[in-house]
Amino acid sequence: DAGVIQSPRHEVTEMGQEVTLRCKPISGHDYLFWYRQTMMRGLELLIYFNNNVPIDDSGMPEDRFSAKMPNASFSTLKIQPSEPRDSAVYFCASSLSHTQYFGPGTRLTVL
Amino acid sequence: DQQVKQNSPSLSVQEGRISILNCDYTNSMFDYFLWYKKYPAEGPTFLISISSIKDKNEDGRFTVFLNKSAKHLSLHIVPSQPGDSAVYFCAARRGLIQGAQKLVFGQGTRLTINP
Repeated sequence: DAGVIQSPRHEVTEMGQEVTLRCKPISGHDYLFWYRQTMMRGLELLIYFNNNVPIDDSGMPEDRFSAKMPNASFSTLKIQPSEPRDSAVYFCASSLSHTQYFGPGTRLTVL
Repeated sequence: DQQVKQNSPSLSVQEGRISILNCDYTNSMFDYFLWYKKYPAEGPTFLISISSIKDKNEDGRFTVFLNKSAKHLSLHIVPSQPGDSAVYFCAARRGLIQGAQKLVFGQGTRLTINP
Protein backbone atom coordinates (compact mmCIF):
# COMPACT_ATOMS: atom_id res chain seq x y z
CA ASP A 1 0.00 0.00 0.00
CA ALA A 2 1.23 3.49 -0.80
CA GLY A 3 1.81 5.70 2.18
CA VAL A 4 1.39 9.45 2.35
CA ILE A 5 3.03 11.03 -0.67
CA GLN A 6 4.56 14.49 -0.58
CA SER A 7 6.11 16.58 -3.32
CA PRO A 8 8.55 18.02 -3.85
CA ARG A 9 10.99 16.39 -1.43
CA HIS A 10 13.26 19.41 -1.54
CA GLU A 11 12.52 23.00 -2.47
CA VAL A 12 14.95 25.89 -2.63
CA THR A 13 13.53 29.28 -3.40
CA GLU A 14 14.28 32.94 -2.96
CA MET A 15 12.63 35.24 -0.50
CA GLY A 16 9.40 36.66 -1.84
CA GLN A 17 8.60 33.75 -4.11
CA GLU A 18 5.47 31.64 -3.84
CA VAL A 19 5.94 28.07 -2.64
CA THR A 20 3.40 25.26 -3.00
CA LEU A 21 3.78 21.97 -1.17
CA ARG A 22 1.65 19.00 -2.15
CA CYS A 23 0.28 15.99 -0.33
CA LYS A 24 -1.62 12.86 -1.26
CA PRO A 25 -3.02 11.13 1.84
CA ILE A 26 -3.53 7.41 2.29
CA SER A 27 -6.65 6.32 0.47
CA GLY A 28 -9.64 6.06 2.79
CA HIS A 29 -8.22 8.31 5.49
CA ASP A 30 -10.56 11.13 6.45
CA TYR A 31 -8.14 13.34 8.38
CA LEU A 32 -5.23 15.24 6.90
CA PHE A 33 -2.64 17.22 8.86
CA TRP A 34 0.11 19.66 7.95
CA TYR A 35 3.08 19.97 10.34
CA ARG A 36 6.25 21.99 10.36
CA GLN A 37 9.45 20.85 12.03
CA THR A 38 12.19 23.25 13.07
CA MET A 39 15.06 22.98 15.52
CA MET A 40 13.62 25.73 17.67
CA ARG A 41 9.97 24.71 17.82
CA GLY A 42 10.07 21.00 17.12
CA LEU A 43 7.10 19.40 15.38
CA GLU A 44 4.15 21.77 15.35
CA LEU A 45 0.70 21.33 13.83
CA LEU A 46 -0.23 23.99 11.31
CA ILE A 47 -3.70 22.94 10.18
CA TYR A 48 -5.85 19.86 9.84
CA PHE A 49 -8.81 18.80 7.73
CA ASN A 50 -11.62 16.35 8.26
CA ASN A 51 -13.45 15.14 5.16
CA ASN A 52 -11.75 17.92 3.17
CA VAL A 53 -12.99 20.65 5.52
CA PRO A 54 -10.48 22.69 7.54
CA ILE A 55 -11.16 22.07 11.23
CA ASP A 56 -8.39 23.90 13.04
CA ASP A 57 -5.95 26.35 11.47
CA SER A 58 -4.80 27.94 14.71
CA GLY A 59 -1.26 26.78 14.08
CA MET A 60 -0.90 28.61 10.78
CA PRO A 61 1.73 31.23 11.57
CA GLU A 62 0.61 34.09 9.36
CA ASP A 63 -1.67 35.08 6.54
CA ARG A 64 1.17 34.22 4.20
CA PHE A 65 0.30 30.58 4.81
CA SER A 66 -2.77 28.96 3.30
CA ALA A 67 -3.90 25.37 2.86
CA LYS A 68 -6.54 23.73 0.73
CA MET A 69 -7.99 20.29 0.28
CA PRO A 70 -10.07 20.29 -2.91
CA ASN A 71 -10.75 16.56 -2.70
CA ALA A 72 -10.08 13.53 -0.55
CA SER A 73 -6.86 12.66 -2.33
CA PHE A 74 -5.03 15.97 -2.54
CA SER A 75 -4.00 18.89 -0.38
CA THR A 76 -1.71 21.87 -0.81
CA LEU A 77 0.11 24.17 1.58
CA LYS A 78 1.04 27.49 0.04
CA ILE A 79 3.37 30.18 1.32
CA GLN A 80 3.17 33.54 -0.41
CA PRO A 81 5.45 35.42 -0.12
CA SER A 82 8.05 33.13 1.38
CA GLU A 83 10.62 34.36 3.93
CA PRO A 84 13.89 32.84 5.16
CA ARG A 85 12.30 32.03 8.54
CA ASP A 86 9.91 29.67 6.73
CA SER A 87 12.82 27.32 6.11
CA ALA A 88 11.88 24.02 7.73
CA VAL A 89 10.73 20.50 6.99
CA TYR A 90 7.02 20.33 6.28
CA PHE A 91 5.21 17.06 6.90
CA CYS A 92 1.81 15.91 5.81
CA ALA A 93 0.05 13.16 7.74
CA SER A 94 -3.26 11.36 7.40
CA SER A 95 -5.34 9.23 9.72
CA LEU A 96 -8.54 7.28 10.11
CA SER A 97 -8.56 7.02 13.89
CA HIS A 98 -5.96 7.50 16.61
CA THR A 99 -2.84 6.97 14.58
CA GLN A 100 -1.43 9.49 12.16
CA TYR A 101 0.76 8.31 9.30
CA PHE A 102 3.35 10.73 8.07
CA GLY A 103 4.77 11.41 4.65
CA PRO A 104 8.52 11.77 4.03
CA GLY A 105 8.39 15.55 4.29
CA THR A 106 9.41 18.47 2.11
CA ARG A 107 12.60 20.27 3.09
CA LEU A 108 12.07 23.94 2.26
CA THR A 109 14.95 26.39 2.09
CA VAL A 110 14.18 30.05 1.51
CA LEU A 111 17.26 32.09 0.64
CA ASP B 1 3.42 26.12 27.01
CA GLN B 2 5.04 22.75 26.44
CA GLN B 3 2.30 20.28 27.32
CA VAL B 4 4.37 17.25 26.37
CA LYS B 5 7.98 17.17 27.49
CA GLN B 6 10.84 14.86 26.72
CA ASN B 7 13.53 16.13 29.03
CA SER B 8 16.36 14.03 27.65
CA PRO B 9 17.45 15.28 24.24
CA SER B 10 19.71 12.29 23.78
CA LEU B 11 20.35 8.80 25.15
CA SER B 12 23.13 6.35 24.44
CA VAL B 13 22.68 2.62 25.15
CA GLN B 14 24.76 -0.45 24.49
CA GLU B 15 23.41 -3.01 22.06
CA GLY B 16 21.47 -5.74 23.82
CA ARG B 17 20.66 -3.61 26.86
CA ILE B 18 17.38 -1.93 27.72
CA SER B 19 16.59 1.55 26.40
CA ILE B 20 14.16 3.63 28.43
CA LEU B 21 12.77 6.82 26.97
CA ASN B 22 10.70 9.11 29.14
CA CYS B 23 7.90 11.57 28.53
CA ASP B 24 5.95 13.85 30.87
CA TYR B 25 2.72 15.69 30.18
CA THR B 26 0.79 18.40 31.93
CA ASN B 27 -2.71 18.22 30.46
CA SER B 28 -4.95 15.78 32.34
CA MET B 29 -7.36 15.80 29.39
CA PHE B 30 -4.97 13.73 27.28
CA ASP B 31 -6.47 10.28 26.83
CA TYR B 32 -4.29 8.62 24.23
CA PHE B 33 -0.54 8.52 23.87
CA LEU B 34 1.68 7.48 21.00
CA TRP B 35 5.35 6.97 20.31
CA TYR B 36 6.85 7.71 16.93
CA LYS B 37 10.29 6.90 15.62
CA LYS B 38 12.06 9.07 13.09
CA TYR B 39 15.08 8.36 10.92
CA PRO B 40 16.93 11.20 9.17
CA ALA B 41 15.28 12.43 5.95
CA GLU B 42 12.14 10.40 6.67
CA GLY B 43 8.79 11.17 8.25
CA PRO B 44 7.94 9.97 11.77
CA THR B 45 6.79 6.36 11.86
CA PHE B 46 4.20 5.13 14.33
CA LEU B 47 5.66 2.71 16.85
CA ILE B 48 3.25 1.96 19.68
CA SER B 49 0.39 3.60 21.55
CA ILE B 50 -1.55 3.35 24.78
CA SER B 51 -4.96 4.44 25.91
CA SER B 52 -5.36 6.18 29.24
CA ILE B 53 -7.50 3.31 30.50
CA LYS B 54 -4.44 1.05 30.43
CA ASP B 55 -1.12 1.24 32.20
CA LYS B 56 0.90 -0.97 29.88
CA ASN B 57 0.97 -1.98 26.25
CA GLU B 58 3.46 -4.36 24.71
CA ASP B 59 4.43 -5.06 21.12
CA GLY B 60 7.43 -7.30 20.62
CA ARG B 61 10.53 -5.58 21.93
CA PHE B 62 8.60 -2.38 22.68
CA THR B 63 6.58 -1.70 25.82
CA VAL B 64 4.94 1.55 26.81
CA PHE B 65 4.07 2.25 30.43
CA LEU B 66 1.63 4.92 31.55
CA ASN B 67 1.49 6.40 35.05
CA LYS B 68 -1.50 8.74 35.02
CA SER B 69 -1.08 9.96 38.57
CA ALA B 70 2.43 11.11 37.74
CA LYS B 71 1.47 12.20 34.21
CA HIS B 72 4.39 10.19 32.94
CA LEU B 73 4.92 7.60 30.26
CA SER B 74 7.93 5.64 29.20
CA LEU B 75 8.98 3.51 26.26
CA HIS B 76 11.11 0.44 26.94
CA ILE B 77 13.05 -1.26 24.17
CA VAL B 78 14.46 -4.67 25.04
CA PRO B 79 16.87 -5.76 23.72
CA SER B 80 18.14 -2.64 21.98
CA GLN B 81 19.44 -3.10 18.45
CA PRO B 82 21.54 -0.83 16.21
CA GLY B 83 18.52 -0.25 13.96
CA ASP B 84 16.75 1.35 16.90
CA SER B 85 19.05 4.36 16.63
CA ALA B 86 16.66 7.19 15.73
CA VAL B 87 14.81 10.13 17.22
CA TYR B 88 11.80 9.11 19.30
CA PHE B 89 8.81 11.40 19.73
CA CYS B 90 6.17 11.11 22.38
CA ALA B 91 2.72 12.45 21.39
CA ALA B 92 -0.56 12.95 23.23
CA ARG B 93 -4.13 13.37 22.10
CA ARG B 94 -7.08 15.01 23.83
CA GLY B 95 -10.23 12.99 23.57
CA LEU B 96 -13.98 13.57 23.60
CA ILE B 97 -13.83 17.22 22.56
CA GLN B 98 -13.61 19.08 19.31
CA GLY B 99 -10.13 18.91 17.95
CA ALA B 100 -9.61 15.52 19.47
CA GLN B 101 -7.59 14.40 16.49
CA LYS B 102 -4.85 16.90 17.29
CA LEU B 103 -1.62 15.43 18.57
CA VAL B 104 0.79 17.37 20.75
CA PHE B 105 4.37 16.24 20.30
CA GLY B 106 7.34 16.31 22.60
CA GLN B 107 10.69 17.65 21.41
CA GLY B 108 12.11 14.20 20.80
CA THR B 109 14.94 12.09 22.22
CA ARG B 110 17.80 10.96 20.02
CA LEU B 111 18.60 7.33 20.85
CA THR B 112 21.96 5.92 19.85
CA ILE B 113 22.61 2.21 20.19
CA ASN B 114 26.30 1.43 20.44
CA PRO B 115 27.60 -1.95 19.23
